[in-house]
Formats: sequence, structure tokens, C-alpha cells
Amino acid sequence: ILNVEQSPQSLHVQEGDSTNFTCSFPSSNFYALHWYRWETAKSPEALFVMTLNGDEKKKGRISATLNTKEGYSYLYIKGSQPEDSATYLCASPTNAGKSTFGDGTTLTVKP
Amino acid sequence: DAGVTQSPTHLIKTRGQQVTLRCSPKSGHDTVSWYQQALGQGPQFIFQYYEEEERQRGNFPDRFSGHQFPNYSSELNVNALLLGDSALYLCASSLATHGYTFGSGTRLTVV
Repeated sequence: ILNVEQSPQSLHVQEGDSTNFTCSFPSSNFYALHWYRWETAKSPEALFVMTLNGDEKKKGRISATLNTKEGYSYLYIKGSQPEDSATYLCASPTNAGKSTFGDGTTLTVKP
Repeated sequence: DAGVTQSPTHLIKTRGQQVTLRCSPKSGHDTVSWYQQALGQGPQFIFQYYEEEERQRGNFPDRFSGHQFPNYSSELNVNALLLGDSALYLCASSLATHGYTFGSGTRLTVV
């Protein structure tokens, strides 16, 4: 993996479903992995900053895991709600601060 | 505590013109990064400013230039606008390499 890649590109689920999506990133020279949520007409909002292999972070119904050796992170949403509809971005910063973003996963939760 | 503010919110320019976009970082943040987001894609890194100097630069032509002022605010200048420069331009501020705080963006349309 040379770039940051996210899959799937889009996802449609029913309210109450649990879902997950993937961020793949270069595992060499890993520094950190950031997750952002970007709701329509708003600014991207930081969800998680992850730095250690095996890290697990949780915020309400949203959680994320990190595997720095194989270069991937999973974002999980338990019991999706319509307000979870957004584009979820991951980014891999260097130690100098530049972040490379994936193209995002757009989640639509239908009531 | 004001977050990141960007101005203007929307802008329409003619091909060949020049444009200046402005960003005020979140209070306490010393690093400003600029991103271009085309429709359907993730944000693409343009450059980053720290201590009034361009610290890193993405794969953008020299028509894209910037500046950071002593109060940490920043400007993005684009010369000789092309139709392909139409995009959402996001400013993000940070302290060192912590997660970004994004502004709402400037929507630039080149006609």
C-alpha cells in the first residue's frame, strides 16, 4: 500500500444495523492514524487519533481499531442511526505533520 | 473558543484570474494546512505552514502559493485560474501533529 485507501466507497444500511469499514495505509514509517467524520454542509470533525499497534478507541457507538504492522484500521458503528450518516475519512500523518487522506466512505443510514 | 474560520465561503472567478483565500486557525494552533477537495474525492494536500514558512508541499503547481502571518493566520493564492481549480478548499489548523481542526471551507467556482 502506497497511499491511504478506504473501502467501501459508499454504504447504505438500515437504522439499527451495525456496520464497519476499512482504512488501509502504508505500514512503513507509521506515525499515526486519524479518523474524521464529515457531515454534509459541516467541517470534518476529528473522531480518533490512534498511534499504537492494537489501539482501540471508542466514542459512544463508534469504535476503531488499529493494526500498524499490516497497515489497516477498522471503524465500527454499532446500531447505526440516521444522524450517523456522513462521510468518514481516515488520514495518515507524517511526523512532520502532512496528512494523506483517503477518499472516504460515505455512510447513509435509512430510518 | 472560535474554531477555524475561512473566508469567503463561496467565490466565483473567471478563468485566468487570481484568487486569495483566507484562514484563521483555532486559538492555540500554530500550524495551518490547506487542502483541495474535488467532488467525490478525499482532500488533497496542497501545503502546510509553520512559523511563517512553507514546511511541506503536495503535488500542486507553482500557481498555488501561500503565506502565514505572525498571528498564524494564512492565505492561499491561486494564479491563472483554470476550470479544474474549481473545488472546495479546506483549511485545517493543528498544534504539532495532533488531529486537525477544519474550517468550513471555501467553495471556488471557476467559469
